[in-house]
Amino acid sequence: EPEVTQTPSHQVTQMGQEVILRCVPISNHLYFYWYRQILGQKVEFLVSFYNNEISEKSEIFDDQFSVERPDGSNFTLKIRSTKLEDSAMYFCASRGEADTQYFGPGTRLTVL
Amino acid sequence: QKEVEQDPGPLSVPEGAIVSLNCTYSNSAFQYFMWYRQYSRKGPELLMYTYSSGNKEDGRFTAQVDKSSKYISLFIRDSQPSDSATYLCAMLGGYGNKLVFGAGTILRVKS
Repeated sequence: EPEVTQTPSHQVTQMGQEVILRCVPISNHLYFYWYRQILGQKVEFLVSFYNNEISEKSEIFDDQFSVERPDGSNFTLKIRSTKLEDSAMYFCASRGEADTQYFGPGTRLTVL
Repeated sequence: QKEVEQDPGPLSVPEGAIVSLNCTYSNSAFQYFMWYRQYSRKGPELLMYTYSSGNKEDGRFTAQVDKSSKYISLFIRDSQPSDSATYLCAMLGGYGNKLVFGAGTILRVKS
């Protein structure tokens, strides 16, 4: 069964450093998303991406964040200058024509 | 008022019990309703998806939606220890394609 994959599973970084989180969505899907979940809190929407552009973003997704689909398979989330409060699980999701979103296993980001 | 409210639990039941998990919502624009299961430090796994009022059954799981009351439920029959996880309700509205999640209910099924 096709699935969303994410790398790395765990990323540790120093405050102020740039990180890139990578995702490979399900191959025939057209819509891509990033969500995050701070420990003990609810899953929160960050950004949606369709047709090579951002279709919606949340207040959390400020100028420090960017997304890219550099080739036909990868979808990345970049955080330019990480803060302590960026520590969270980051989930990539994708969907096809139906409205169901399928999530990857997540990347745990720890900012020290 | 929060857009989606969900009791975080934990809910502890004996093996074989029927489990009822619920969410309420305030935004009438929500049209699609999902239930995800999340094991500790893993990604949400889609369990059920509905878009109309009424019931939808899949094996031991039944999803129920009451749009007039803005209330959704997930029932698990014959619960198993492997059902122990956090159950997230999520909703999709007409103004965007982002999912809005509840806080999640922690379920523990004791053998």
